[in-house]
Amino acid sequence: EPEVTQTPSHQVTQMGQEVILRCVPISNHLYFYWYRQILGQKVEFLVSFYNNEISEKSEIFDDQFSVERPDGSNFTLKIRSTKLEDSAMYFCASSVGLAGGVPSYEQYFGPGTRLTVT
Amino acid sequence: GQQVMQIPQYQHVQEGEDFTTYCNSSTTLSNIQWYKQRPGGHPVFLIQLVKSGEVKKQKRLTFQFGEAKKNSSLHITATQTTDVGTYFCAGPGTASKLTFGTGTRLQVTL
Repeated sequence: EPEVTQTPSHQVTQMGQEVILRCVPISNHLYFYWYRQILGQKVEFLVSFYNNEISEKSEIFDDQFSVERPDGSNFTLKIRSTKLEDSAMYFCASSVGLAGGVPSYEQYFGPGTRLTVT
Repeated sequence: GQQVMQIPQYQHVQEGEDFTTYCNSSTTLSNIQWYKQRPGGHPVFLIQLVKSGEVKKQKRLTFQFGEAKKNSSLHITATQTTDVGTYFCAGPGTASKLTFGTGTRLQVTL
């Protein structure tokens, strides 16, 4: 069964450094998302991406963050100048958009990247 | 902005007991989705409800969407240890965004 993959599984970085989190969405999916989850808390929406542009972003997704689909398969989240409070699990998700002509927005999540900022 | 709250935050049951989590949105939802997250895992889609008053069943799980489309519930009959995890409601499921509820963590012991 197709699945969303994410690399790395764990990233440790020093405060102020830049990190790039990588995701490969399911191949026929058109909509891509990034979420984060601080340990023990709820899943928070960061950004959605469709047709090579951002569809919507949350208040969390400020100028520190950017997303890109550099090729036909990868979807990346870049965090510039990381802060201690950026430590969290980051999930990538994708949805097909249309299934048999019917809107279908159930989201398939990757296993996540645990980001630790020291 | 939209807020989605769930109660209880945590529930501990004995295997075989029933479990219910309730989800309440501050706004009317076009649809609502439910996800399960096992400990250390990622959210996994369970179901989507669209119609007012809709009830759907998946084996021992029963999902309900309120008449006003602002609340929903998930009921598990005769819990098993494999039901352990956090259950999130989320809505609405649109192309651009999904707002997750606060989640209910279920612990099941023998």
